[in-house]
Amino acid sequence: DGGITQSPKYLFRKEGQNVTLSCEQNLNHDAMYWYRQDPGQGLRLIYYSQIVNDFQKGDIAEGYSVSREKKESFPLTVTSAQKNPTAFYLCASSIVQGLDQPQHFGDGTRLSIL
Amino acid sequence: GESVGLHLPTLSVQEGDNSIINCAYSNSASDYFIWYKQESGKGPQFIIDIRSNMDKRQGQRVTVLLNKTVKHLSLQIAATQPGDSAVYFCAEVPYSGGGADGLTFGKGTHLIIQP
Repeated sequence: DGGITQSPKYLFRKEGQNVTLSCEQNLNHDAMYWYRQDPGQGLRLIYYSQIVNDFQKGDIAEGYSVSREKKESFPLTVTSAQKNPTAFYLCASSIVQGLDQPQHFGDGTRLSIL
Repeated sequence: GESVGLHLPTLSVQEGDNSIINCAYSNSASDYFIWYKQESGKGPQFIIDIRSNMDKRQGQRVTVLLNKTVKHLSLQIAATQPGDSAVYFCAEVPYSGGGADGLTFGKGTHLIIQP
């Protein structure tokens, strides 16, 4: 089945440590996104990528980094500069051609601080 | 800045009744709207979408209404079932002349189905 796979489901970070969240899609979508969700809140955009080797900052990019070396993959690194990283991280993808296309989401990674 | 929001954080309905979840948006340039359902510990699941040139769209047991005059969006769920219990988000896509910018999400409404 086509879809978006995020791993791991749960992740723990120590102080001063960088951690990388994986996102893989086999939907042949051009665009991919990372969102952060805090309890009782909506989703906030961290980074997005419209095409391989290109990505743009979203609303809350500070303390995060991404890469897009392959169409299928869009990993997110939460760096030690992100002082409040505990959250639910969601990856999404969409077809770029045409404006009106929904984004499809993975089942998220929950990041906690040890 | 402009944002999308929801009127009620929690909505409780009896099983079998109809549910109406509301959403107000402030960006009059928004071109496309989506409703998502999010169950606990999972990612948002697409329910239905509507474009700004429409005022109503129906799916299976769901209807979305768009009132551009008052910038209001609603999701109607007919004959609610226990499996409908979830948080529902509306999201908007401002017209940006192309590209794949992120969605703007409201905070969500928690729909609780009473037996």
